[in-house]
Amino acid sequence: DIQMTQSPSTLSASVGDRVTITCRASQSISTWLAWYQQKPGKAPKLLIYKASNLESGVPSRFSGSGSGTEFTLTISSLQPDDFATYYCQHYNTYPWTFGHGTKVEIK
Amino acid sequence: EVQLVESGGGLVQPGRSLRLSCAASGFTFDDYAMHWVRQAPGKGLEWVSGINWNSANIVYADSVKGRFTISRDNAKNSLYLQMNSLRTEDTALYYCAKDFGELNYFNYWGQGTLVTVSS
Repeated sequence: DIQMTQSPSTLSASVGDRVTITCRASQSISTWLAWYQQKPGKAPKLLIYKASNLESGVPSRFSGSGSGTEFTLTISSLQPDDFATYYCQHYNTYPWTFGHGTKVEIK
Repeated sequence: EVQLVESGGGLVQPGRSLRLSCAASGFTFDDYAMHWVRQAPGKGLEWVSGINWNSANIVYADSVKGRFTISRDNAKNSLYLQMNSLRTEDTALYYCAKDFGELNYFNYWGQGTLVTVSS
């Protein structure tokens, strides 16, 4: 199975900060990677697919990059609504696996 | 508007069975693969099982293979998860998720149904 490793596990930041979350795959997954945002008590929400494609309706301050085994999710200017947990997920082959999540907290 | 509404969760003893359902609306159900994803309390996301549009391609996580069975009824716009031989480690919120297409990423999620396995 492909293992997905996210870092950091927790990130403290302030409104307006630029935030970067990293996701590494244990083997190459090309660009078959998605990013999700989850707020407490809510279902996950798709942000990015195919590593760098912004899902419709998602603010442009979110962006994704990478290919192969290393990927990043960047929030260019953190907003109050962005404090949440973020997960990466590969869909290269089954079984699909998620990273363990990165919690973005208010500094 | 896409809606996915899960039901069937509850408290069940180890070794017993439970059947989850997911009612879908707002899209052409039989055009898309569907999945179950779970989240144990306070933990991360774990993909459980996926089924393509015509049930010809079904896949499971190793942790549930042989115990869980995914199925769908396209006439009823419904997805199911039959869970047998339940274990305490199956305790989780179970989400129904719509695939973008044919076994890809998940572009819509339900709100989940809670399964608690405990004696």
